[in-house]
Amino acid sequence: SAVISQKPSRDICQRGTSLTIQCQVDSQVTMMFWYRQQPGQSLTLIATANQGSEATYESGFVIDKFPISRPNLTFSTLTVSNMSPEDSSIYLCSVEGTGSLEIGYTFGSGTRLTVV
Amino acid sequence: GENVEQHPSTLSVQEGDSAVIKCTYSDSASNYFPWYKQELGKRPQLIIDIRSNVGEKKDQRIAVTLNKTAKHFSLHITETQPEDSAVYFCAASKSGGSNYKLTFGKGTLLTVNP
Repeated sequence: SAVISQKPSRDICQRGTSLTIQCQVDSQVTMMFWYRQQPGQSLTLIATANQGSEATYESGFVIDKFPISRPNLTFSTLTVSNMSPEDSSIYLCSVEGTGSLEIGYTFGSGTRLTVV
Repeated sequence: GENVEQHPSTLSVQEGDSAVIKCTYSDSASNYFPWYKQELGKRPQLIIDIRSNVGEKKDQRIAVTLNKTAKHFSLHITETQPEDSAVYFCAASKSGGSNYKLTFGKGTLLTVNP
């Protein structure tokens, strides 16, 4: 399965500022996914990022708040903009499995964000 | 959209006993059902998955069953060990097309008591 490097692993940020999270994959993948996991909760999909097109956002998430870049098939960034304490969560990127028959999803190690 | 319900939210068993976690899904077009294990402070790890063309899949002490008619699937862990203690998430997605996004259940905190 793909190996994902995600950084930063954690950060403490001031409200009103922005943080950009990076996700690097060791192989080319068509789709990359960004999830949010609030403390003690399940994973919620923020958006799907395809190379060469705008990201597709889920209900409740907007591009102005969570802009995403996908410049190539191995890299993506998620920015959390104008942060508030409610944005304190773990943010994870995920990629589909490689190969036409394998749909196992792999997750990055996550970014633990605390907004103060 | 898809909705995945997971039960129970917490489960405590004695070491050596079996544990069963159940999920239901709403979208009959979903055809891929993975299970993830998440230890405290770590990323979710895929432990087993099943596709809609099979009814059961086993991997050592772990098995998953799928009932497409009833739209539910279950995770079975036999001979539980303390290291099985974690949060388990079920998920569902539709393979094919251009969107493989996963919808997760709310998770089950499994505690295996020595």
